[in-house]
Amino acid sequence: VHLVESGGGLVHPGGSLRLSCVASGFTFSMHWMTWVRQAPGKGLEWVANIKQDGSEKNYVDSVKGRFIMSRDNAENSLYLQMNSLRAEDTAIYYCVSYTDYWTLCYWGQGTLVTVSS
Amino acid sequence: DVVMTQSPLSLPVTLGQPASISCRSTQSLVYSDGNTYLNWFHQRPGQSPRRLIYKISNRDSGVPDRFSGSGSGTDFTLQISRVEAEDVGLYYCMQATHWPPSFGQGTRLEIK
Repeated sequence: VHLVESGGGLVHPGGSLRLSCVASGFTFSMHWMTWVRQAPGKGLEWVANIKQDGSEKNYVDSVKGRFIMSRDNAENSLYLQMNSLRAEDTAIYYCVSYTDYWTLCYWGQGTLVTVSS
Repeated sequence: DVVMTQSPLSLPVTLGQPASISCRSTQSLVYSDGNTYLNWFHQRPGQSPRRLIYKISNRDSGVPDRFSGSGSGTDFTLQISRVEAEDVGLYYCMQATHWPPSFGQGTRLEIK
């Protein structure tokens, strides 16, 4: 099982960034997908999730209206479009998958997003 | 939102000795389907988290049987029967019953 994130980097406040996550080794289309972030030296925070077929998306209040999550099951890929970025969005962003009833759960290695002028 | 509170936040343990981490939630974690979606994760220094336990007490594949989870409702515990050097790092409980899912603050286990 592999989840490989990419797209992180340094961006100015107010800027945009698009994260990607490519999955392999499991049936991607059967998993909910989510982004969890971890600010430097801090704990874990749920950001958003998307249902297996993409029909349902949920965002935490702090990113609602700024972040857009999507997936392409044909490409085993997950995306996070991040707009109007703020300093408090600085974190490692992990791509995480889980099945219904949470019987399986996999994490990627993370990609670092730094929002700074 | 459901707040998850772990204790202790720092846990120094002698090799071979047991360790226990408590996790409490501000609301019952029993979902409408009867399941309790309480997970435990371990994060080694410089690595991404790895899940150890799901639905209170089910070990993930490859997790040593020295790890066990217990509890119900709002009170949960992760126990390590005999701590090994590879167990150092941060431990997080996480609830997935209520939106948004939420994590505890983390408990740092270190070897004395």
